[in-house]
Order: sequence, then C-alpha cells, then structure tokens
Amino acid sequence: GQQVMQIPQYQHVQEGEDFTTYCNSSTTLSNIQWYKQRPGGHPVFLIQLVKSGEVKKQKRLTFQFGEAKKNSSLHITATQTTDVGTYFCAGPLNGNKLVFGAGTILRVKS
Amino acid sequence: EAGVTQFPSHSVIEKGQTVTLRCDPISGHDNLYWYRRVMGKEIKFLLHFVKESKQDESGMPNNRFLAERTGGTYSTLKVQPAELEDSGVYFCASSQALVYSPLHFGNGTRLTVT
Repeated sequence: GQQVMQIPQYQHVQEGEDFTTYCNSSTTLSNIQWYKQRPGGHPVFLIQLVKSGEVKKQKRLTFQFGEAKKNSSLHITATQTTDVGTYFCAGPLNGNKLVFGAGTILRVKS
Repeated sequence: EAGVTQFPSHSVIEKGQTVTLRCDPISGHDNLYWYRRVMGKEIKFLLHFVKESKQDESGMPNNRFLAERTGGTYSTLKVQPAELEDSGVYFCASSQALVYSPLHFGNGTRLTVT
C-alpha cells in the first residue's frame, strides 16, 4: 500500500547542533502533518503544510513541503534538551486515513 | 477543553485472555481513530469512526479485534483472545472535521500480553 517513509531512524546530537528529519511519500499528498512524541508521552500535533513549496517556522523549527508535495522536512536549529522525542510526519493516504511515518528519534546530549 | 482520555493506561494480560480498551474523545469530535505503536515502530492505523459508523477498518489486524462506538461518543476496542503480538501501545485520537484536521491523541494504553 501507499507509504510514508522517514529518515533517519535515530539522531543523536550535541546540544546546540542542528537536526533535520526527512519524510517521503510514495504518492502526492494533499497535506502533510508533523507530530512530536516525548518519551513516555503521546503524539502532539505540531503543524500542517498544504501548499506546494510551503515553508513554515515555529521558533527554532522550520517545516518545508516539497514542490511535488511528495516530501517534507523538519529542521531544528540549535537543539535544546527540550527537543528530545520522536518526530513523526503523517499524510492522508489509502482512502484519506492519516498514515504515519516510522518517526525519527532525537536525542540531545548536553 | 478536556483532552482525549484513555483507560486503562496499562494492562498486562496472559495470552488467551480478553482486554477492553476505552477511549473518550474530545466532546464534539465526530471523528475517532484507533492507532497502535508496536516496539517503537511506526504508528499504525487500525480504524476510523465517524460518529457511530465505522468509516474505515482496513487496519484491523484480524477478527480478534472488535471496535465499537455506540451512540457516537466513547469507543471501546476489545481484543479477544489476546496473542503475544498484540502487545504495544494503543492510541486513540479524535478530530473535528475529516479533511486537514489535526489529530488529538490520548495518552495511550500500553498493552502487554505474556
């Protein structure tokens, strides 16, 4: 079936370094959503991108949606320990249900 | 507003036993979803209710899983009989409108089948 793939699976960074996770879909998406799950917590919605080539910022987080609407990225500038968690992208596929990527686990060393 | 609530938070059962998970969505949210995350892997879709109707149950693994949403309010997910591979975290999520709406997740139920 249609899939959403995310890389990398894990990323360990030193506090202050940047971090990027990439998301690719096997098909064009009408929109893409990003969620963050803290250790022991539940996924929390971060943002939604709808337009081709869209870029949105939330403080140190920058989200991009590709021109073809098949890929997306989340970039965190100058990571902090509070950024620790798993970042998921998700897109409506296979009949409009929200399909999640496998997530990227971010660990930040202080 | 109150968030999505799930009960129990943890459940440990033996293979062959039955477990029922409950989810109370945010009031007014017609859309209710069940997802499962196994061993830190992806969050896999199980099914989707719109009010009391099953909109999509293509993710349900097999007929040992039964989900209901009587009256279009809370939902239950029953696993009977449970197998070892059913272990994982079961998340419920709700949303207002179908298109483009972000999902609001509950804290999940961690199910361990021994």
